[in-house]
Amino acid sequence: QVQLQQSGPGLVKPSQTLSLTCAVSGDSVSSKSATWNWIRQSPSRGLEWLGRTYYRSKWYNEYAVSVKSRATINPDTSKNQFSLHLKSVTPEDTAVYYCANLDSVWGQGTQVTVSS
Amino acid sequence: QSVLTQPPSASGTPGQRVTVSCSGSTSNIGRNTVNWYQQLPGTAPKVLIYLNNQRPSGVPDRFSGSKSGTSASLAISGLQSGDEADYYCAAWDDSLKGWVFGGGTKLTVL
Repeated sequence: QVQLQQSGPGLVKPSQTLSLTCAVSGDSVSSKSATWNWIRQSPSRGLEWLGRTYYRSKWYNEYAVSVKSRATINPDTSKNQFSLHLKSVTPEDTAVYYCANLDSVWGQGTQVTVSS
Repeated sequence: QSVLTQPPSASGTPGQRVTVSCSGSTSNIGRNTVNWYQQLPGTAPKVLIYLNNQRPSGVPDRFSGSKSGTSASLAISGLQSGDEADYYCAAWDDSLKGWVFGGGTKLTVL
């Protein structure tokens, strides 16, 4: 079955870039039926969708309005994974970050704290 | 304030049937399918229901989903202590152009 394995730092300094990676096994990141998402969860905001990448003869990336100017989601077909980069972070970006195919599977989650 | 509205809590006794509601609008539940997620304490969410009423392999048939108009429901029959968790609904929103979630319902098994 499909599994997602997240990696990345748990502590990021304010104004720096948060970078997380999600390795896909049991499916292809280039699948024409799947979408690959990033979601975060915090006590103040609940579950918040950040964006997604997917392949339908070409690559598409879509972002939530709240992070559109700061977020980039990139697929890496050579490693069958996708990543999230969120620049200019503030303490408000402190949350547990998840990657997910929202119809089938979530990653294990990464607690990211933004602090100096 | 979440886009999808769920009751903050629900409860039942072992063996009972409980339902969790999820209310949205024409731009999300009214036009798109609904997923349900179960989050046990300290763990990542798990897909319980997708495409309104489909269960992934391994999810017991005690869990069922339905949708009508701009609302959806999750039903859990034969309630067990292991069902104590937070339950979230989600759907794509055509106006916001993104996935939206409910605020979650904390289920307590008395």
